[in-house]
Amino acid sequence: GQNIDQPTEMTATEGAIVQINCTYQTSGFNGLFWYQQHAGEAPTFLSYNVLDGLEEKGRFSSFLSRSKGYSYLLLKELQMKDSASYLCAVIDSNYQLIWGAGTKLIIKP
Amino acid sequence: IAGITQAPTSQILAAGRRMTLRCTQDMRHNAMYWYRQDLGLGLRLIHYSNTAGTTGKGEVPDGYSVSRANTDDFPLTLASAVPSQTSVYFCASSMGVSSYNEQFFGPGTRLTVL
Repeated sequence: GQNIDQPTEMTATEGAIVQINCTYQTSGFNGLFWYQQHAGEAPTFLSYNVLDGLEEKGRFSSFLSRSKGYSYLLLKELQMKDSASYLCAVIDSNYQLIWGAGTKLIIKP
Repeated sequence: IAGITQAPTSQILAAGRRMTLRCTQDMRHNAMYWYRQDLGLGLRLIHYSNTAGTTGKGEVPDGYSVSRANTDDFPLTLASAVPSQTSVYFCASSMGVSSYNEQFFGPGTRLTVL
């Protein structure tokens, strides 16, 4: 079967750095997305990785290791507005998105 | 319209009733999707359409049907609602089906079946 694992919940302090991990086992791999979802709202696109390495976009970075089936999302200089759920999703061999259950990130002042 | 719209925003429905959730996009995207999101389970694909005139079953299709008569609209129908269909429903679209398949989401419909 296909499986994506993320921690259920994480807590971090405003101004700090947090790393959210995602491991996956899917039938094929054609790319990995990270989405952000605030409570009561729709998911919105954060990043996309298809090659190994780090993609940086402002305060957010995403890393991929295809050989390890592993990705992480790194959030720097945390702000209260970063409190949200972060969803990892993998494109499988049929070009379907397989979604993780999401990691709820709580930011404390 | 800009992006994807869904209607209604929320609905309380008696079990056994028929209900259609509407989804419209104005981005001329070829592919559209319906998901349900339940606490702790993440997004689960119900049905999808890679292009107008075609549809396919996702992970949890039972009890739901879809149609794709044109590019813009992708309604989801619950023929006879049951309490287990209480959920938040998201419609999404993407340009196509490829290795870069960024999906854009509508605001969601919160459905309660009593």
